[in-house]
Amino acid sequence: QVQLQESGPGRLRPSETLSLTCSVSADSVIGGNYCWSWIRQPPGKGLEWIGCIDYAYTTNDSPSLRSRVTISLDKPRSQFSLKLTSVTATDTAVYYCAKGGLGRPEYFEHWGRGTLVIVSS
Amino acid sequence: SYVLTQPPSVSVAPGQTARITCEGKNIETKAVHWYQQKPGQAPLLVVFDDSDRPSGIPERFSGSNSGNTATLSISRVEVGDEADYSCQVWDVFGDLRGVFGTGTRLTVL
Repeated sequence: QVQLQESGPGRLRPSETLSLTCSVSADSVIGGNYCWSWIRQPPGKGLEWIGCIDYAYTTNDSPSLRSRVTISLDKPRSQFSLKLTSVTATDTAVYYCAKGGLGRPEYFEHWGRGTLVIVSS
Repeated sequence: SYVLTQPPSVSVAPGQTARITCEGKNIETKAVHWYQQKPGQAPLLVVFDDSDRPSGIPERFSGSNSGNTATLSISRVEVGDEADYSCQVWDVFGDLRGVFGTGTRLTVL
């Protein structure tokens, strides 16, 4: 069973850059035909897809966040990362990393536990 | 971008069948996936590709998709099924690929 674990700062000030890392437990999986996604959930609200990166380093991301988002993949470390620049209070959310199905970026088969990020001055 | 609409809440008595809908324009042309999320936990995939179940998900969970409405059905509902449920599609022709529904709170009375 693949396990994912998010890590990063729990609190940021407005205008700072959010950097999160997702560690994947099974080394052999990170290079497989999967899309590795970031998804967030503001407190009391629904899920929002941020973007994903596949084994060929091809990225897809949400148009509403595109100008501020970078998703990267580090195969040797079995990790992928999210950078979100110029954060505001509206970026306060639980951030999840997730793994798509084999050759199927369309759904999210495994999820991390999530990490709460609070943006506040 | 593509929009998925769910009822905010659905209530059902234990042992009955719960049906949660997900409306989207011509949604039958898309594969719909469903997630269960209990308080303080990450979402769990319970149905993918309209009606398939991942390993370990009980047969009580089933799905269908027709016209403009996809439906998640939970038969013989248990107290432990109380959770938020979200539908999701991958809009391959849209600029926003991953689209989630608005979410439905299932209450077991």
